Amino acid sequence: EDKVVQSPLSLVVHEGDTVTLNCSYEVTNFRSLLWYKQEKKAPTFLFMLTSSGIEKKSGRLSSILDKKELFSILNITATQTGDSAVYLCAFINTGNQFYFGTGTSLTVIP
Amino acid sequence: GAVVSQHPSWVICKSGTSVKIECRSLDFQATTMFWYRQFPKQSLMLMATSNEGSKATYEQGVEKDKFLINHASLTLSTLTVTSAHPEDSSFYICSARVRTGAQPQHFGDGTRLSIL
Repeated sequence: EDKVVQSPLSLVVHEGDTVTLNCSYEVTNFRSLLWYKQEKKAPTFLFMLTSSGIEKKSGRLSSILDKKELFSILNITATQTGDSAVYLCAFINTGNQFYFGTGTSLTVIP
Repeated sequence: GAVVSQHPSWVICKSGTSVKIECRSLDFQATTMFWYRQFPKQSLMLMATSNEGSKATYEQGVEKDKFLINHASLTLSTLTVTSAHPEDSSFYICSARVRTGAQPQHFGDGTRLSIL
């Protein structure tokens, strides 16, 4: 059975801290892995990772995929209160279906 | 960029009522749309894949007679929760697959359904 597991489930940090969120997967017909940020409504797209070892970066956020060890990490440096959200990773299979992980709830306190 | 509109954003109704949720792709044609359900503090659970002009594909454990999906045009998919009960209360989100661009799918803003 395909599954996506994220850790930790929740995290509380102070502003300015750096956090690393983990996503491990066991899937068949893997195509890509994605990271999303969800606040109150729909998830907001962050990154799509298809190739192993290539870091994607956007401002203070970065992510990388390891297809050999079947995991991905999302790094956030110099965290701000606006980074507080649930971070979801998801994979797309070759049938273009999305399956989401359990999510990590991040709280950044001033 | 591509936009997906979901309506209504919030609905409260009595037990036994059927509720229809619409998902529209506003500036692109979506041959495939997805419906998700999300319980509080949990992740999105894929319910079904909606294909234009054909029957939806439901995930294991999702009752197709309970959650009716219709994808009659390239810009509209609907999810009808039939004879809704309190346990159907949840956050429902649709998304539409995009053929080109950096993002593989765009999400609607979701519908919060509360059954009394």
